[in-house]
Amino acid sequence: DIQMTQSPSSLSASVGDRVTITCRASQGISNYLAWYQQKPGKVPKLLISGASTMQSGVPSRFSGSGSGTDFTLTISSLQPEDVATYYCQKYNNAVWTFGQGTKVEIK
Amino acid sequence: QITLKESGPTLVKPTQTLTLTCTFSGFSLFTTGVGVGWIRQPPGKALEWLALVYWNDDKRYSPSLRSRLTITKDTSKNQVVLTMTNMDPVDTATYYCAHRGIVGTTDSWGQGTLVTVSS
Repeated sequence: DIQMTQSPSSLSASVGDRVTITCRASQGISNYLAWYQQKPGKVPKLLISGASTMQSGVPSRFSGSGSGTDFTLTISSLQPEDVATYYCQKYNNAVWTFGQGTKVEIK
Repeated sequence: QITLKESGPTLVKPTQTLTLTCTFSGFSLFTTGVGVGWIRQPPGKALEWLALVYWNDDKRYSPSLRSRLTITKDTSKNQVVLTMTNMDPVDTATYYCAHRGIVGTTDSWGQGTLVTVSS
């Protein structure tokens, strides 16, 4: 089974900071990688699919990159409304696996 | 507009079988490429994918839970049913169903239903 490992597990940053979350797959998954944002008490929201394709309505400060085993979610300028837990998910071969999540807080 | 809603018991006893129903609108499981998946989230913990059924009745399961899960669809009723056998307190979680669309993964989720396993 392919494992998805996110780092860090949590981070605290100031408003306006650039934030980077990484996700590593234990085997290559091409670009079958999605990123979700889950705000406290809310349903997860798809931000990015195909490793780098932004979903409609997602602010442009979010971006995704990577292919194969190493992926990155970047928030170019952290905003208070970005406080959430972010999950990566692989979806190749019709088997989905989520990472353990990265909790983002404001310093 | 795609909507999904989970329904089922809020409390089950250990060893019982859980049956959850996802009723959806705004899409059809007759449509090529479409699927419905189930994901759960224990309180304060991470998301865990459980199962997925496609428009062509192809079914996929989490390897770690495969022996306990069954997913079925009723296309005419716009429903997908998940059963999980031999429930344990560690299965206490919010259970979500979600639409699998052309992006290849879930782009719409239900609100989730909290299932507690306790005697």
